[in-house]
Parts: sequence; structure tokens; C-alpha cells
Amino acid sequence: ETGVTQSPTHLIKTRGQQVTLRCSSQSGHNTVSWYQQALGQGPQFIFQYYREEENGRGNFPPRFSGLQFPNYSSELNVNALELDDSALYLCASSQTSGSREQYFGPGTRLTVT
Amino acid sequence: AQKITQTQPGMFVQEKEAVTLDCTYDTSDQSYGLFWYKQPSSGEMIFLIYQGSYDEQNATEGRYSLNFQKARKSANLVISASQLGDSAMYFCAMREIFTGGGNKLTFGTGTQLKVEL
Repeated sequence: ETGVTQSPTHLIKTRGQQVTLRCSSQSGHNTVSWYQQALGQGPQFIFQYYREEENGRGNFPPRFSGLQFPNYSSELNVNALELDDSALYLCASSQTSGSREQYFGPGTRLTVT
Repeated sequence: AQKITQTQPGMFVQEKEAVTLDCTYDTSDQSYGLFWYKQPSSGEMIFLIYQGSYDEQNATEGRYSLNFQKARKSANLVISASQLGDSAMYFCAMREIFTGGGNKLTFGTGTQLKVEL
């Protein structure tokens, strides 16, 4: 059984640019959640996708957007990057939207200069 | 809104000894779930243990146990017989269920545990 994978591992972008991060969910899982973890902080919930629809969102501006594809993999897009967007972005998949367990990927480290 | 508080930024423990990591929470929900995750320097969040608010007994998973005191709103993690590989960041988290049926985790700020020889 393949776990949650994320790409790329590391990324450096310039302020104002746009970035796309990718997540492949664990086999058999139809729900993906995204979290942002700033340095020295706990992860903060960005949004959750269930069967290609956003079904929950945290306190993040609209420039954070996402997609989920028919194979349940997901993308996180961030437009107009700001320095404060520098963080570890974690993706978690779960069997369905109400599942208790969330299985996390290794994360993408984004640096905005 | 739910809130998780971890007041120990860092902890040291000798190998083979037990250590307790503190976690307090705040919620107005009657039904909730509490988690502990381990995050090594590699970044991946590793699930350790879960406690439901209606579970009568404290959860245990191998060397991990959760000291759940509902009236005090605390959910401390106890690691017995610490090993060098336990050195990592530890996060306490609470599950919040959305109206539409989805759910999210609210995390504390974490405790950095260092196991020494």
C-alpha cells in the first residue's frame, strides 16, 4: 500500500509569484486535507477536499485555492506569494471525509524570498 | 472555537526513563477527539495515539499512553522507557467536525523532546 506522497520536496519562489504543490492520496482514500506549518508552529488547516469538492476551509485568503482530481490526488495553489507564505505544507489523506484518521505526507518546504 | 495549549516548548529526558508531555484543550463540543502526533526532523506527522471524549479508559498504544482528565480538560502524553529515536517534536491535536461531515485537526504549538544517554 503506497502512502501519501507530495511533490516537490523543496521549492524556492519570489514574492508575487504563483506556486502549485501536489499530493497523491493513499490508495483507497477519497479525502485530502492541506495544512500550513510555519516555522516553530503547529500545522494550521487550509482546506479539505472530498470527492473533488471543497468541504471545509480554514482562515486563509482566497489566493489559497485547491483542486482534487478524479483519482483523488490534489493540488494546492497559492497566488501572489508573500514572505509569510514560507512554510512546510502538509497534505493528509483519509478514507472518507468523516474518517478519524488522517495520514500525512512528508510535506513540501516552500521558501518565499 | 477549539484551542489546544502545549506549555512546554522543550523537554529533556534520560534514555529508558518516562516522560510526560502536557496538553490542555478548550472546546464547547460534548463529543470530541484528541490526538498526539510525532514529527521528526524529516517533517512527516506520525500518528501516535487517540482518545475519544466518551472513552472511559485512557488510551494506550505500546509505550504511549494518554492521561485523559476530562474535568481538567487535559490530555497528557506519557512515553515510557524513552529511546533515542523518540527525540522529535510532539503535537497535541483536536478533531473538529464540519457541518457537512468533513473534519479538521487543530494543533498546539508542540513540544520538542530530546532524549539523552
